[in-house]
Amino acid sequence: RKEVEQDPGPFNVPEGATVAFNCTYSNSASQSFFWYRQDCRKEPKLLMSVYSSGNEDGRFTAQLNRASQYISLLIRDSKLSDSATYLCVVNNARDDKIIFGKGTRLHILP
Amino acid sequence: DTGVSQNPRHKITKRGQNVTFRCDPISEHNRLYWYRQTLGQGPEFLTYFQNEAQLEKSRLLSDRFSAERPKGSFSTLEIQRTEQGDSAMYLCASSPGRDRPPYEQYFGPGTRLTVT
Repeated sequence: RKEVEQDPGPFNVPEGATVAFNCTYSNSASQSFFWYRQDCRKEPKLLMSVYSSGNEDGRFTAQLNRASQYISLLIRDSKLSDSATYLCVVNNARDDKIIFGKGTRLHILP
Repeated sequence: DTGVSQNPRHKITKRGQNVTFRCDPISEHNRLYWYRQTLGQGPEFLTYFQNEAQLEKSRLLSDRFSAERPKGSFSTLEIQRTEQGDSAMYLCASSPGRDRPPYEQYFGPGTRLTVT
């Protein structure tokens, strides 16, 4: 099993719809989780950290399920500008290993 | 601009040549990371520094790769005897490196290396 797995997509979603994707991780000792957004040929940008209690930032909601070892990202009322690749990042504080998923491509359709 | 900066932004070199990239982290960020990213893949961790100390190196970092952060501020990544397989985007990120996680990282624009 890969350390961090994401569905590569692409997810083709009409504007205004809600879309959700998951990321699974294999190391139960993982302690920190993040979602990054990466536009084509640009650097990754931090979208949100994922806390145990879940967190929300505007149209974006991130949740962590430690029992099933996955994190999720929900985007409501999607905009054309949400089109990007969304990268899941997992950090194991014990050995400070930081692992990126390969990303999920999202296309918002007008 | 107080973000992470990287130079050069693009580098084209011939196989066998040496190249060096520079990264200037966000001021007062004591953690600095190097990643490599190829098309369709997520960034792959190469190495990171806590201040001037190099704390971890990935197995991806062959003997031809070396990174330094001599004064705990900027860092350089050198690739000796470049190979075509080294062609990739090299990303640098910095983090406040608090004593406890989470360690949010902030990325520079990357250096795109093409080895011909």
